[in-house]
Amino acid sequence: DIQLTQSPSFLSASVGDRVTITCRASQGINTYLAWYQQKPGKAPNLLIYVASTLQTGAPSRFSGSGSGTEFTLTISSLQPEDFATYYCQQLNSYPVTFGGGTKVEIK
Amino acid sequence: EVQLVESGGGLVQPGGSLRLSCAASGFTFSDHHMDWVRQAPGKGLECVARSKNRGSSYAAEYVASVKGRFTISRDESKNLLYLQMNGLRTDDTAVYYCARDGMNYSFDYWGHGILVTVSS
Repeated sequence: DIQLTQSPSFLSASVGDRVTITCRASQGINTYLAWYQQKPGKAPNLLIYVASTLQTGAPSRFSGSGSGTEFTLTISSLQPEDFATYYCQQLNSYPVTFGGGTKVEIK
Repeated sequence: EVQLVESGGGLVQPGGSLRLSCAASGFTFSDHHMDWVRQAPGKGLECVARSKNRGSSYAAEYVASVKGRFTISRDESKNLLYLQMNGLRTDDTAVYYCARDGMNYSFDYWGHGILVTVSS
């Protein structure tokens, strides 16, 4: 199975900050990576797919980049509604796997 | 509008069985792979089973931890996805989500989730 390692696992930031989350895959996954946001008690919500394509309806302050084994999710200017947990997911091979998550909290 | 609605969760004893259902609407069900994803309390996300689309002959795939115990299936006439769970263990306790594969390397729609608790 392909392992995904997210870092950091927790970050504290302020409204307006630029935030970057990293996801590393244990083997190459081309660009078959997605990013999700999850708030407490809710289902995950798709933000980015194929590494850098913004899902319809997702705010443009979210962006993704990378290929192979290294990927990043960037929030250009953190908003109050962005405080949540973020997960990366690889869809290169089954089983589809997720990173361990990055919890973004208010500083 | 795409909707996915799970049902069938609840409390079951270790070794017991449960069948989850996911009612899908708003899209052509047979065109999409469908997945069950679970999240144990306070933990991350784990894909446990996939039902591929009609073009892939509805083939099923499973993560190792549930292989031989869980069975995924579909009723295309009713747009229903199922997860039959047998031999349940305490570590199967989780919220179970039904998710649609957008066929673009993403899970683009998710149900609200249903809680399964395995406890004596």
